[in-house]
Amino acid sequence: EAQVTQNPRYLITVTGKKLTVTCSQNMNHEYMSWYRQDPGLGLRQIYYSMNVEVTDKGDVPEGYKVSRKEKRNFPLILESPSPNQTSLYFCASSLWGTGDPNEKLFFGSGTQLSVL
Amino acid sequence: SQKIEQNSEALNIQEGKTATLTCNYTNYSPAYLQWYRQDPGRGPVFLLLIRENEKEKRKERLKVTFDTTLKQSLFHITASQPADSATYLCALDWASGGSYIPTFGRGTSLIVHP
Repeated sequence: EAQVTQNPRYLITVTGKKLTVTCSQNMNHEYMSWYRQDPGLGLRQIYYSMNVEVTDKGDVPEGYKVSRKEKRNFPLILESPSPNQTSLYFCASSLWGTGDPNEKLFFGSGTQLSVL
Repeated sequence: SQKIEQNSEALNIQEGKTATLTCNYTNYSPAYLQWYRQDPGRGPVFLLLIRENEKEKRKERLKVTFDTTLKQSLFHITASQPADSATYLCALDWASGGSYIPTFGRGTSLIVHP
């Protein structure tokens, strides 16, 4: 089954304790992206990757890191989480940018992060 | 300023009526536009894609129009049902630093009353 898998689904942590949210896709997509969603602010892009070893900042990259060592994986790293990073996070992948007529985004099920 | 605008107020309609949601964009000419549905706490799910050279696209009870002159897309759900209640997002391929990346509006909440 084609899917984007995010883990964990829920995460509670404390300020300053490094954490990683994993994201994996099984569709051989080149494009992957991380979003955070907060009430009233919609989906805001954190980082995106057009291909392996290629990553770019989105609209709200501060406090986050990503890596794209393999095509299927795109982990989101919070080196020193702060309470303002409490949010619902989504990973997505797509054939975006390839000219494929079906360039829709596939989203993971989300990670609800609470930083105390 | 916001690149993509969707009505922030929830749209309340009666079951069986047609729901119409709006997506406006500024200072840009996207090659295509997409609509997604999002249920609370879940990831968005793709519904329809319409290209700049297409005026209208249909899928079952869904219809999307794309007016590049007005810089506007309309999303219609005919014969709406309570199960259609969700937030609907539009997304454009926005030019950024030499690439085109998907950028979302904030979404409009649709509530269908039985």
